[in-house]
Amino acid sequence: GQQVMQIPQYQHVQEGEDFTTYCNSSTTLSNIQWYKQRPGGHPVFLIQLVKSGEVKKQKRLTFQFGEAKKNSSLHITATQTTDVGTYFCAGDNNAGNMLTFGGGTRLMVKP
Amino acid sequence: DTAVSQTPKYLVTQMGNDKSIKCEQNLGHDTMYWYKQDSKKFLKIMFSYNNKELIINETVPNRFSPKSPDKAHLNLHINSLELGDSAVYFCASSQVPGVDQPQHFGDGTRLSIL
Repeated sequence: GQQVMQIPQYQHVQEGEDFTTYCNSSTTLSNIQWYKQRPGGHPVFLIQLVKSGEVKKQKRLTFQFGEAKKNSSLHITATQTTDVGTYFCAGDNNAGNMLTFGGGTRLMVKP
Repeated sequence: DTAVSQTPKYLVTQMGNDKSIKCEQNLGHDTMYWYKQDSKKFLKIMFSYNNKELIINETVPNRFSPKSPDKAHLNLHINSLELGDSAVYFCASSQVPGVDQPQHFGDGTRLSIL
């Protein structure tokens, strides 16, 4: 079945360093969504990418959708302690009727 | 204003008991979901309802029975609780069904089975 994989599982960075998480699908996706879950919190929708090669920015966050629409990345420039949390990507399953979440990348930022 | 609210926030109970979790959304959305998040943070969809009708049932044991009295509510009843049911259960909603719809999550219900 379709799988959405994320790497790395965990990432420790020093405050001010950059961070990137990668999302890969075994099948072509119609779109990809990104969510952030703070420790003890719930997933919060960040953004959706639809077009091949699309790049979107939200302040220090840059989201990319691959040309083949099978991978995506989230890059955070100059991390802050407020960036701590688990970042999930989510793509449609084979049948195209539900979102499948990646395993998440847990970001820890040392002040 | 809480958009998606779940009760209770914490649930600690004995194996074999029956329990319910309630969810309500005030966003006017048509579609609601139940997700299970295990200790490793994997988020798996369990059910999806659109306008009170079940549209997704992801091979969840029969002990789990969702009920949607109206499109703003989706409750989850669990019979004969087992140790493996310990997890965080999230309710979510989206405007309409579809993989291109942002999902709005509740705060979660942390279920612990003793």
